[in-house]
Amino acid sequence: EVQLLESGGGLVQPGGSLRLSCAASGFTFSSYDMSWVRQAPGKGLEWVSSISASGTIDYADSGKGRFTISRDNSKTTLFLQMNSLRAEDTALYYCARRCLGSSVSCFDYWGQGTLVTVSS
Amino acid sequence: QSVLTQPPSASGTPGQRVTISCSGSSSNIGTYTVNWFQQVPGTAPKLLMSSNNQRPSGVPDRFSGSESGTSASLAISGLQSEDEADYFCAAWDGSLNGVIFGGGTKLTVL
Repeated sequence: EVQLLESGGGLVQPGGSLRLSCAASGFTFSSYDMSWVRQAPGKGLEWVSSISASGTIDYADSGKGRFTISRDNSKTTLFLQMNSLRAEDTALYYCARRCLGSSVSCFDYWGQGTLVTVSS
Repeated sequence: QSVLTQPPSASGTPGQRVTISCSGSSSNIGTYTVNWFQQVPGTAPKLLMSSNNQRPSGVPDRFSGSESGTSASLAISGLQSEDEADYFCAAWDGSLNGVIFGGGTKLTVL
């Protein structure tokens, strides 16, 4: 069974940092592209970043220069380092697996999310 | 303001057919395939339709997808109370070099 378990969220002051983790199991992690998608309270979905199985990385403009996505295939874990956090980064952050051999906006498994709150 | 435009709400009675639209441009839907996600409030999104019209395993055939030009649509026939949820479309945008989501459509089953 595919499982994605996010952790690392919490309350942080503006300008602070957080590192999110997503522990994956039930599939060959190294073979899949992985992504982070966030959802502000009461709002829609927003793509944050993706890292391919081969290590190619993309970021949404909202996180460029502040967020860093990475993966540890030996630990089957996805990470998102978030620096210089702003109030508008407050959201539930989902880890999602990209569909294999399909379009890059296809995410077939999602975690339950970890909540990041940026507030003083 | 989302790059992909969806109606904020839709509704129907049990058994009816409803359609949710997703309007984009040549840099996204006009070039790349669309995926649809269903999100029941308080839960994670679920992939409902991939590559415009492919239903993942377990998704009832009451759900269907289509695409034409720079727009896509999700149709739900034989509406059921359990279909009450938020629906999001998504596509790659070649100008923004990123994945974009529609703003979402809240479906109410009356």
